[in-house]
Amino acid sequence: QQQVKQSPQSLIVQKGGISIINCAYENTAFDYFPWYQQFPGKGPALLIAIRPDVSEKKEGRFTISFNKSAKQFSLHIMDSQPGDSATYFCAALNTGGFKTIFGAGTRLFVKA
Amino acid sequence: NAGVTQTPKFQVLKTGQSMTLQCAQDMNHEYMSWYRQDPGMGLRLIHYSVGAGITDQGEVPNGYNVSRSTTEDFPLRLLSAAPSQTSVYFCASSYSHSSGNTIYFGEGSWLTVV
Repeated sequence: QQQVKQSPQSLIVQKGGISIINCAYENTAFDYFPWYQQFPGKGPALLIAIRPDVSEKKEGRFTISFNKSAKQFSLHIMDSQPGDSATYFCAALNTGGFKTIFGAGTRLFVKA
Repeated sequence: NAGVTQTPKFQVLKTGQSMTLQCAQDMNHEYMSWYRQDPGMGLRLIHYSVGAGITDQGEVPNGYNVSRSTTEDFPLRLLSAAPSQTSVYFCASSYSHSSGNTIYFGEGSWLTVV
């Protein structure tokens, strides 16, 4: 049972365009929703995160939009650059559960 | 700053062999975990530990053992390797497992079982 569903599996965007990756979750006990970025041959690294009491969080060109009632959240990358080409994972956790659950990942390729 | 260090980086095993993937962190983190990454499956939690002497199962624990004798080290043991365990393995650590804490990952161990 996949508790965090992520789409699309892969995404190709032109340089300067907007990249959008969506995630949906089932467990209403989740209380923290991070996004991780992974470059080839490296481990994932935290990109940005949001708590469910906030509908949007922005850090530079990266924005998380959160819809608590729909149990969905998304990552928007504005002005996408070739250096953003990587795999992105959404994740969810609840503090008392000790388990961070990851989505299946989205491979983003930004064309120059 | 070493962070999370995994060894070996690459390993080829024969079916039935056993081996240990090593993981060490130098950030004095209480929480450590092991994930496996497979195409289209994302990162799946194998085992985790909330402190020295305390371990528990994640989503896909079968075929793997862990122990946590010190805060720094969290080795993952494959008891009898199977081709289905061919994967990339990531060790991770964080100060605690709670909202707001960042998980730091190692660079991965590529394991092939033939």
